[in-house]
Amino acid sequence: GENVEQHPSTLSVQEGDSAVIKCTYSDSASNYFPWYKQELGKGPQLIIDIRSNVGEKKDQRIAVTLNKTAKHFSLHITETQPEDSAVYFCAASGSSNTGKLIFGQGTTLQVKP
Amino acid sequence: DGGITQSPKYLFRKEGQNVTLSCEQNLNHDAMYWYRQDPGQGLRLIYYSQIVNDFQKGDIAEGYSVSREKKESFPLTVTSAQKNPTAFYLCASKGLEDTEAFFGQGTRLTVV
Repeated sequence: GENVEQHPSTLSVQEGDSAVIKCTYSDSASNYFPWYKQELGKGPQLIIDIRSNVGEKKDQRIAVTLNKTAKHFSLHITETQPEDSAVYFCAASGSSNTGKLIFGQGTTLQVKP
Repeated sequence: DGGITQSPKYLFRKEGQNVTLSCEQNLNHDAMYWYRQDPGQGLRLIYYSQIVNDFQKGDIAEGYSVSREKKESFPLTVTSAQKNPTAFYLCASKGLEDTEAFFGQGTRLTVV
């Protein structure tokens, strides 16, 4: 079935360092890949997304890369700040035209001041 | 303000009881979704609806029921048949032509 694997499950970095989170997906028909940030006790919020016709997208300190051939996509956060500490989820669109998202297991990012 | 609202924020249920979680959106979105979140397992889809009076089962629908009588509302009932209902429940919505899904703030359900 459709599956998204996310690694690592936890990540601790020093303030100012970069953080990278990686995901792989199983369904080659997936064409939309969002990343969500979830703070404690709150709902996830979209931080960046990428469509399958693009290899890379950047928004200030955040970037996402996509390798369709390998079915990999990654989130890169540069110059990390303590407020970046949260749980990050990757997702891939399901193969049917329903808008369903298949989520990874989540990565807890801790940025130490 | 446009948005998606879940209530209550915290809910306690006795074993054997049904409870209903509310989800309302004023974004004029056609599609609405219910996800369950457990530690270390990401978000799993319970039910979704793309149009009023129609809904489909997701990956973990057993023990849950939904209705979609109005475009704005997609309540989720956790029935006594759900064996492990303690979890964080998230509702989301999106326009059919859009890609971004917007999430509510979640309801934490605890069985006591």
